[in-house]
Amino acid sequence: GNSVTQMEGPVTLSEEAFLTINCTYTATGYPSLFWYVQYPGEGLQLLLKATKADDKGSNKGFEATYRKETTSFHLEKGSVQVSDSAVYFCALMTYGGSQGNLIFGKGTKLSVKP
Amino acid sequence: NAGVTQTPKFQVLKTGQSMTLQCAQDMNHEYMSWYRQDPGMGLRLIHYSVGAGITDQGEVPNGYNVSRSTTEDFPLRLLSAAPSQTSVYFCASSPDRDISYEQYFGPGTRLTVT
Repeated sequence: GNSVTQMEGPVTLSEEAFLTINCTYTATGYPSLFWYVQYPGEGLQLLLKATKADDKGSNKGFEATYRKETTSFHLEKGSVQVSDSAVYFCALMTYGGSQGNLIFGKGTKLSVKP
Repeated sequence: NAGVTQTPKFQVLKTGQSMTLQCAQDMNHEYMSWYRQDPGMGLRLIHYSVGAGITDQGEVPNGYNVSRSTTEDFPLRLLSAAPSQTSVYFCASSPDRDISYEQYFGPGTRLTVT
């Protein structure tokens, strides 16, 4: 079946450090891939997405590239800020009968220290 | 424009009690869904609806009922609460099932069953 695996957290970084959160997926066909972010006490918000191989999604300094050959969608940011502290979820959506239904990874908690 | 709203924010139930979690959106979205979020498990789909009068099961539907009598509302019913249903529940909506549309999440309901 379809699934998403992302790196275990928590991840603790100092401000201005480089961030990578790994995400790999298993899916039939060609899914669309997403990163969602959940700030403390809030619901999830879409951070970025990519709908086909080699697409790069970007937003707020975060980037992720859809790599079909490695079935990966790693999240990166060159210089994190304290305000980036949140839980990050990688997710996929496939075509067909379950289209519109997101499948999430377990989430990675990021804490950024000043 | 309120987006996706959920009530209540917090709820404590005793085993065997019933209750309804409310979800409403004012964006005229056709697609709505319910997820539960458990520590270390990510978000898992409970039920979803592609329009008024149409609902279907997700990954973890047991113990939950839904109905969709209007476009705006998508309540989730627990008929006989169990401790295993202790979780944070999120409602989401999007204009359509198409992968090109962002899903908008509500702020969540934290449910504890004792």
